[in-house]
Amino acid sequence: KAGVTQTPRYLIKTRGQQVTLSCSPISGHRSVSWYQQTPGQGLQFLFEYFSETQRNKGNFPGRFSGRQFSNSRSEMNVSTLELGDSALYLCASSLAQPQETQYFGPGTRLLVL
Amino acid sequence: DQQVKQNSPSLSVQEGRISILNCDYTNSMFDYFLWYKKYPAEGPTFLISISSIKDKNEDGRFTVFLNKSAKHLSLHIVPSQPGDSAVYFCAASARFSGGSNYKLTFGKGTLLTVNP
Repeated sequence: KAGVTQTPRYLIKTRGQQVTLSCSPISGHRSVSWYQQTPGQGLQFLFEYFSETQRNKGNFPGRFSGRQFSNSRSEMNVSTLELGDSALYLCASSLAQPQETQYFGPGTRLLVL
Repeated sequence: DQQVKQNSPSLSVQEGRISILNCDYTNSMFDYFLWYKKYPAEGPTFLISISSIKDKNEDGRFTVFLNKSAKHLSLHIVPSQPGDSAVYFCAASARFSGGSNYKLTFGKGTLLTVNP
């Protein structure tokens, strides 16, 4: 069974631009969660989607948004990029509930210049 | 407010010895705990989990201990190997309590270095 895939793996953007990251969960998994990882901050929860609905959201500004499609694939979007948005963005999937074991993709490394 | 805390940012041990990574939590609703291992530039990999009805779970060289009264869990790696060198994250959720908190809450991680 294929794991969680994320595209692109690396991205360089400039301040003010916007970016869209994509995540394909493990087949059969319907819950997708997104995290931001920066040095010293661990994994900061962004949001979680299930059946195309956002069920939970972390403490991030409205510039961070996401969506989920009917095939459970998910995208997250960051608008008006700031230097501080440079981070590793991780997607994780689980069968139905994020409280269960989550399986992570390799992440997208975003660098904002 | 950090609900899951890993107070040691780093730990260094000798190959063959035991590694003990610690984690404390504050939310009494948490009833499911996990450990993940992360190498640089990769996503975290699930290692082992434990539910609150148990106090110990073992999988090969990895054992997780849960002390509910102290709200403390630990991961023991025996024997430690150089390939175990990575960042270890503790995570918790209210999986069985039926809460609507649809997420895992992670600690900030502990960098384990196993020296040959």
